[in-house]
Amino acid sequence: GAVVSQHPSRVICKSGTSVKIECRSLDFQATTMFWYRQFPKKSLMLMATSNEGSKATYEQGVEKDKFLINHASLTLSTLTVTSAHPEDSSFYICSARDGSGRAGVTDTQYFGPGTRLTVL
Amino acid sequence: GEDVEQSLFLSVREGDSSVINCTYTDSSSTYLYWYKQEPGAGLQLLTYIFSNMDMKQDQRLTVLLNKKDKHLSLRIADTQTGDSAIYFCAGTFNQGGKLIFGQGTELSVKP
Repeated sequence: GAVVSQHPSRVICKSGTSVKIECRSLDFQATTMFWYRQFPKKSLMLMATSNEGSKATYEQGVEKDKFLINHASLTLSTLTVTSAHPEDSSFYICSARDGSGRAGVTDTQYFGPGTRLTVL
Repeated sequence: GEDVEQSLFLSVREGDSSVINCTYTDSSSTYLYWYKQEPGAGLQLLTYIFSNMDMKQDQRLTVLLNKKDKHLSLRIADTQTGDSAIYFCAGTFNQGGKLIFGQGTELSVKP
């Protein structure tokens, strides 16, 4: 249980294009999802908190117009990297919080497998 | 803000025990977590401990929590080559549900 998927797992795009990454909770409802960015050999950097049916909360320094987040349902959040540039190349990971307590621990975050974005 | 510290590297021989340490600074977290990340993959929840517990054992994994010293550890018994990965400790530390991560400890298991 508590499975989170991401799609695509890997994407290569040209500079200036937009890329959409999907994050789905497969067997639980996630009122809150989180988007992280991870650089090689580094820890995770929280980009934004996504709440179902409301606007995302962005961390300081993260451009909300560049990284568009939509959380339209209890099982799906999307991150769109707009007008991507080579410096946006990174590993993007989402997590979903199971607030039901079903897994025995309320508010535990379960992570997706990540999306490797390469911008040429 | 909250600071979570881990040593960056640990190397052990197959069959030995591994102990990965984590310290935190300002406040306590209701739950403290250990996640495992293999190369090119997401984070896998390994185990967690509730803040009113001192120890939790789950098969080869033992978590110890010393709230006085603000120290958390993960012991892996009979370490296998498949345990080679990066291990992150994390907690919410009164940050509104946001997880605060340590830098990650890269565990290398040599045959």
